[in-house]
Amino acid sequence: ELQLVESGGGLVQPGRSLRLSCAASGFTFDDYGMHWVRQAPGKGLEWVSGISWNSGSTAYADSVKGRFTISRDNTKNSLYLQMNSLRAEDMAVYYCAKDTGFWSGYFAFWGPGTLITVSS
Amino acid sequence: EIVLTQSPATLSLSPGERATLSCRSSQSVSSFLAWYQQKPGQAPRLLIFDASYRATGIPARFSGSGSGTDFTLTISSLEPEDFAVYYCQQRSNWPWTFGQGTKVEIK
Repeated sequence: ELQLVESGGGLVQPGRSLRLSCAASGFTFDDYGMHWVRQAPGKGLEWVSGISWNSGSTAYADSVKGRFTISRDNTKNSLYLQMNSLRAEDMAVYYCAKDTGFWSGYFAFWGPGTLITVSS
Repeated sequence: EIVLTQSPATLSLSPGERATLSCRSSQSVSSFLAWYQQKPGQAPRLLIFDASYRATGIPARFSGSGSGTDFTLTISSLEPEDFAVYYCQQRSNWPWTFGQGTKVEIK
């Protein structure tokens, strides 16, 4: 069964850092691009970052460029998001999402999400 | 950045009725558009990709059409489990963007 499980969320003060993880199972992880998509409370969806199957390509939304870093470890079937200099507007549920292919830009399957609360 | 505008914001319909949702892009995205369904407290689910191709396991009552700047998601006959929020998303240009969503609610 295909599964994505995010972890690492929680309460963090503005300006601090947090690292999210996503554990994948049920599919050949290194055959697919992976992404982070977020949803602020009561709001719509915002693509945050993506990484190709072999880490050869990465991309970021302008709102997080220079502050967030996406990475993956194909030996551990895991995706990561290092978030630095967190702001109030980064508060959201962060979803890990599997691409439909190596790097198609569609989100075929999503984890349940992890909530990041940014507050002093 | 490509802006996707969905209409209407809310669609009030009864089970069995036909739902027609619109997504308009600020510039052409060719056919590089997807539709997602999200129910309260759940993660989104991919319904349609490349404008008209159903994702694995998606019922035939869901169909997508359009190209360029105008797209439509049609639910031919609403089932009780179809009442949800629907988002369109483009992958034509960086950054990949979503529409603001259309809520399909029970009338």
